[in-house]
Amino acid sequence: AQSVTQLDSHVSVSEGTPVLLRCNYSSSYSPSLFWYVQHPNKGLQLLLKYTSAATLVKGINGFEAEFKKSETSFHLTKPSAHMSDAAEYFCVVSDLTSGTYKYIFGTGTRLKVLA
Amino acid sequence: DGGITQSPKYLFRKEGQNVTLSCEQNLNHDAMYWYRQDPGQGLRLIYYSQIVNDFQKGDIAEGYSVSREKKESFPLTVTSAQKNPTAFYLCASTPGQGSIFQPQHFGDGTRLSIL
Repeated sequence: AQSVTQLDSHVSVSEGTPVLLRCNYSSSYSPSLFWYVQHPNKGLQLLLKYTSAATLVKGINGFEAEFKKSETSFHLTKPSAHMSDAAEYFCVVSDLTSGTYKYIFGTGTRLKVLA
Repeated sequence: DGGITQSPKYLFRKEGQNVTLSCEQNLNHDAMYWYRQDPGQGLRLIYYSQIVNDFQKGDIAEGYSVSREKKESFPLTVTSAQKNPTAFYLCASTPGQGSIFQPQHFGDGTRLSIL
């Protein structure tokens, strides 16, 4: 079965330091992978997507992610955290199940940025 | 600007009452989805619709119903059979089911609570 595992439910970083949010997936097919950000009481906003082109994907707000097939990982990084990055982040895999495309969500990582 | 509008933002349900959550999109998307979000559990799929007048159950459809009479609209009814309706409900859409490369677009959600 397809699945997504976000390895940390909470991550705390100091402002100006790097961010690493980890995501591992399992999929029977060549998947599409996405990272979304959610601020309190808001919907999910797309940060970036992997669609089998370049393995290093750049997104909005300075975020990027690297698809590593051998490690089945799609970790999200940012060189320098900003206070506005504090939010919840979701890793999502799009997969084909019984002839229907479905989106499988990780359980989220809450990022806290310390001043 | 194109997007997804969910209303109301906050909703309260009395015991034994059915309530309907609205989701309208002006993106001309074919596929629409309803998710339920509970703390620490990520997003769980309630119902989805690939085309007008057609919809399928997701992973947690019991106690919910939907309709898709218009391309733009996909309302969700939380029935009295749903014994634990308190959650954040998110509506999403994609252009269609033709490709797994398409990210979902999300509304800003409706928070439902029991009185």
